[in-house]
Amino acid sequence: QSVLTQPPSASGTPGQRVTISCSGSSSNIGSNYVYWYQQLPGTAPKLLIYRNNQRPSGVPDRFSGSKSGTSASLAISGLRPEDEADYYCAAWDDSLSGRVFGGGTKLTVL
Amino acid sequence: EVQLVESGGNLVQPGGSLRLSCAASGFTFSSYWMSWVRQAPGKGLEWVANIKQDGSEIYYVDSVKGRFTISRDNAKNSLYLQMNSLRAEDTAVYYCARDFDSFFDFWGQGALVTVSS
Repeated sequence: QSVLTQPPSASGTPGQRVTISCSGSSSNIGSNYVYWYQQLPGTAPKLLIYRNNQRPSGVPDRFSGSKSGTSASLAISGLRPEDEADYYCAAWDDSLSGRVFGGGTKLTVL
Repeated sequence: EVQLVESGGNLVQPGGSLRLSCAASGFTFSSYWMSWVRQAPGKGLEWVANIKQDGSEIYYVDSVKGRFTISRDNAKNSLYLQMNSLRAEDTAVYYCARDFDSFFDFWGQGALVTVSS
């Protein structure tokens, strides 16, 4: 049982916009930054979004992050087949004094 | 280009030991905190341990305290994870990662550790 809650799966067709949610609490998302990672099949995770809505250099602006209260979302616009991957949210948890991750969302591009 | 290359993954019996290594290049290794993060088969991500630039501060997740030891050699641009008293639940891919904010910006390709008799 992960501290941050994500839907196990999401899907969309090429060109579509999809969003992936991440629900937490006041001790994690509610009071700390949210990070998003993309993990392509058989590869290491890649930092996609940091500090709620910032993109590292090289990450396309099709990817965007937002946060409201104790929830966060990752939006992917102009969906492409190569976006098919697992996506994880993460945040620091003040109560646990540790890093917590979501269980991951498997995105399928139909 | 930042590169992190893990080695040392293997099949080990319960109660056994294993040492993972991570060779870093493409950045000033001695300027960064470094972490180990693991992922059990088909499961999510779990931070395991991290170490300050000079090794003066070290932190572990509760489940590995007293069994795992993280260390580094800045002269060799290398990070290590000594794992003792291994359990079946330690079976995972272990990633070496560079710390960024409270999380990680670059990851290695991972080393598979399988604990089984």
